Amino acid sequence: SQKIEQNSEALNIQEGKTATLTCNYTNYSPAYLQWYRQDPGRGPVFLLLIRENEKEKRKERLKVTFDTTLKQSLFHITASQPADSATYLCALESLGGSTLGRLYFGRGTQLTVWP
Amino acid sequence: DGGITQSPKYLFRKEGQNVTLSCEQNLNHDAMYWYRQDPGQGLRLIYYSQIVNDFQKGDIAEGYSVSREKKESFPLTVTSAQKNPTAFYLCASSSRQASSYNSPLHFGNGTRLTVT
Repeated sequence: SQKIEQNSEALNIQEGKTATLTCNYTNYSPAYLQWYRQDPGRGPVFLLLIRENEKEKRKERLKVTFDTTLKQSLFHITASQPADSATYLCALESLGGSTLGRLYFGRGTQLTVWP
Repeated sequence: DGGITQSPKYLFRKEGQNVTLSCEQNLNHDAMYWYRQDPGQGLRLIYYSQIVNDFQKGDIAEGYSVSREKKESFPLTVTSAQKNPTAFYLCASSSRQASSYNSPLHFGNGTRLTVT
């Protein structure tokens, strides 16, 4: 069956360090991978999208990599701040068969950045 | 400002009652979605609609119904047939069409439904 796994449910790091979150998948052939941020009691907010033919994407302090051989995406937040504390979700989009054009979400990783 | 509005924020119902969750968007998006979020689980797709007067079942459609009579609105009814209705419900929209699947989702801030 198809599966998306995000590393440990929680990640705690010190302010100023780089946070690295992992998204692994099996039995998918994703054309795109997206990362979202979700704060408690709120809906997810889109952060970055990376295509299967792109190795890396950056936006300010955020960086996403996509390795289709390893079936993995890494999401980095450099110079992390307490305001970065939230749950981060990865989502895959497949263009094949019955999954055409649909997003599948991982469970999320809760990041806490402490001062 | 453009966005998606879900109402109410909190909803309480007795078991056996149907309840309708509202979702309105003014982003002029064609596609709209309903997801359910439970603790420790990823978002699961209930229903989605890519165009007015058309919608498809997602992965967990049983016990739910939707309508798409207007582009801006995609209400979700949680029926008494849904066995575990207590959850956080999220509505989303996107500008994606059949030829473009890389548009991100814009989410509302959810409705927390509690059924007792």
